[in-house]
Amino acid sequence: DAKTTQPPSMDCAEGRAANLPCNHSTISGNEYVYWYRQIHSQGPQYIIHGLKNNETNEMASLIITEDRKSSTLILPHATLRDTAVYYCIVRVANNAGNMLTFGGGTRLMVKP
Amino acid sequence: NAGVMQNPRHLVRRRGQEARLRCSPMKGHSHVYWYRQLPEEGLKFMVYLQKENIIDESGMPKERFSAEFPKEGPSILRIQQVVRGDSAAYFCASSVAGGGRNEQFFGPGTRLTVL
Repeated sequence: DAKTTQPPSMDCAEGRAANLPCNHSTISGNEYVYWYRQIHSQGPQYIIHGLKNNETNEMASLIITEDRKSSTLILPHATLRDTAVYYCIVRVANNAGNMLTFGGGTRLMVKP
Repeated sequence: NAGVMQNPRHLVRRRGQEARLRCSPMKGHSHVYWYRQLPEEGLKFMVYLQKENIIDESGMPKERFSAEFPKEGPSILRIQQVVRGDSAAYFCASSVAGGGRNEQFFGPGTRLTVL
């Protein structure tokens, strides 16, 4: 699986959009971009994933650049409960069943 | 639809005892993954199982650790003769199928403390 690079920490004001970047410059054509978050001491929570197209669900939007070398997770209206470590993970799409490889992630602090 | 369930949530063992951690996947999921998170560290993959089969155990320590996912019942992660270094949070995840197209959903974890 391709390696990802994320800033170690970010702050965001409550109610504003949080834009979390991820660099995956070595991504292959058959690799998905996944985002998870871990709120303190809890199990990781799936947020969203995508291959090429931008994706949106009730939690967030995922914007993937045309060359697929980077992506941005957008939380449109951050709340204090969004304070967590956010992980960007690249996974191969085949059916071999593979693990999630968690890096350091970005520690997002949402402030009042 | 209940999520992934793990029990116990907290487990205290003395050095040399055995620890058994249980994971019930989401309904309809037949793929289970175990991860370990040491204090102040990231999650590390341990093992991937389907019903009655171990598919990938590349992250499992070579000794004292074993996992199973029987035809009936939960998946079990077993740690024999625990040592202080085994103290960690152990998370289980499940998916409907393997591969990168299918998201994994995590349980709340079991926090193991070895005295």
